[in-house]
Amino acid sequence: DAGVTQSPTHLIKTRGQQVTLRCSPISGHKSVSWYQQVLGQGPQFIFQYYEKEERGRGNFPDRFSARQFPNYSSELNVNALLLGDSALYLCASSLGWGRGNTEAFFGQGTRLTVV
Amino acid sequence: AQSVAQPEDQVNVAEGNPLTVKCTYSVSGNPYLFWYVQYPNRGLQFLLKYITGDNLVKGSYGFEAEFNKRQTSFHLKKPSALVSDSALYFCAVRDHGSSNTGKLIFGQGTTLQVKP
Repeated sequence: DAGVTQSPTHLIKTRGQQVTLRCSPISGHKSVSWYQQVLGQGPQFIFQYYEKEERGRGNFPDRFSARQFPNYSSELNVNALLLGDSALYLCASSLGWGRGNTEAFFGQGTRLTVV
Repeated sequence: AQSVAQPEDQVNVAEGNPLTVKCTYSVSGNPYLFWYVQYPNRGLQFLLKYITGDNLVKGSYGFEAEFNKRQTSFHLKKPSALVSDSALYFCAVRDHGSSNTGKLIFGQGTTLQVKP
């Protein structure tokens, strides 16, 4: 079975531009979360979606937005890119978000470089 | 606020020796604890979790972790280290507060270096 897939793997954007990152969860998983990992730090939570609804939002500006589609895939959008947005963006999927569905499985990530 | 601390930036161990990567946590209520490993330019791989039950949890690749409620610790261990275990290790706690988002809170990470 395919794991969590993310696209693209790498991209370079200019300050002020907009970017869209994509994620396909493991088949059967209904929850998708997004994390930002800056070099040398642990991942920071951005969003969680479950059954196409936002279930959680981290401490990120409104320039960050996301959505989940009927097939449970997800997109993360970042507007007005700043140099500080350069990071590895990780998508994680899980069966759900209840007590019995606790572990999250991560994709390979998208490396975003803002110049 | 819930948090995770990994007090060591790097752990060095010789191949064949036991290894320990330390993690302490601060949560309200019962903790859901996880260990993940990250190889260079890769995503995170799930190793093991503690939700409830036995304090010694066994996971992938021969790793195990011991939950200690009194010391609020969840140290990762392996009896005999391999060079291929060299990677970045993250401890995480699940935020299951009132919003129950399932958000994971990660430590800063510990680089494990296993030398031949």
